[in-house]
Amino acid sequence: GAGVSQTPSNKVTEKGKYVELRCDPISGHTALYWYRQSLGQGPEFLIYFQGTGAADDSGLPNDRFFAVRPEGSVSTLKIQRTERGDSAVYLCASSPGVTGELFFGEGSRLTVL
Amino acid sequence: GEDVEQSLFLSVREGDSSVINCTYTDSSSTYLYWYKQEPGAGLQLLTYIFSNMDMKQDQRLTVLLNKKDKHLSLRIADTQTGDSAIYFCAEHLYTGNQFYFGTGTSLTVIP
Repeated sequence: GAGVSQTPSNKVTEKGKYVELRCDPISGHTALYWYRQSLGQGPEFLIYFQGTGAADDSGLPNDRFFAVRPEGSVSTLKIQRTERGDSAVYLCASSPGVTGELFFGEGSRLTVL
Repeated sequence: GEDVEQSLFLSVREGDSSVINCTYTDSSSTYLYWYKQEPGAGLQLLTYIFSNMDMKQDQRLTVLLNKKDKHLSLRIADTQTGDSAIYFCAEHLYTGNQFYFGTGTSLTVIP
């Protein structure tokens, strides 16, 4: 597609459930980032992929969060045993290379009840 | 992550200039960016400046970079109501290929 696509755009779940958020980057972009944005805050880094491998996962808050990018294109952010504090907008961005700017998707809004 | 600071709010009258400021801490930044976020939307790149430049002009937008003081500003000339949004500055660190964002400045343009 022309831009970064994220699905679902909205997800409401109950505390303790498992959630998957999907990101389809711009074709040919090798770098893919996940950020989390809470209300009134800037994007907070979670994880960065270069190709298929996670180049930096230091932003993942704990071991309930995991992300994959098995074929170097689409990525899935997985959250186990969701907590109310996980409620936020999860942003995905892709970049053509090491010095390129980030192109963002519209985000997936996660609400944990 | 790195500390990127911005003032939270700015209010200007339509037709005036807006200046949004940002300070950052890492002197090894390669690029610095300004992104715009409208309600319910993702971040849209407005402009960027390479760290060895002092100024960049792009139509109504002027970016000033003071590398010594680690200060970045975005000036919007002839501000319009459609410019009302949240503006984020971000720094790119070549080492680790990381991008760090500020907390955002909410710009309100009064007609």
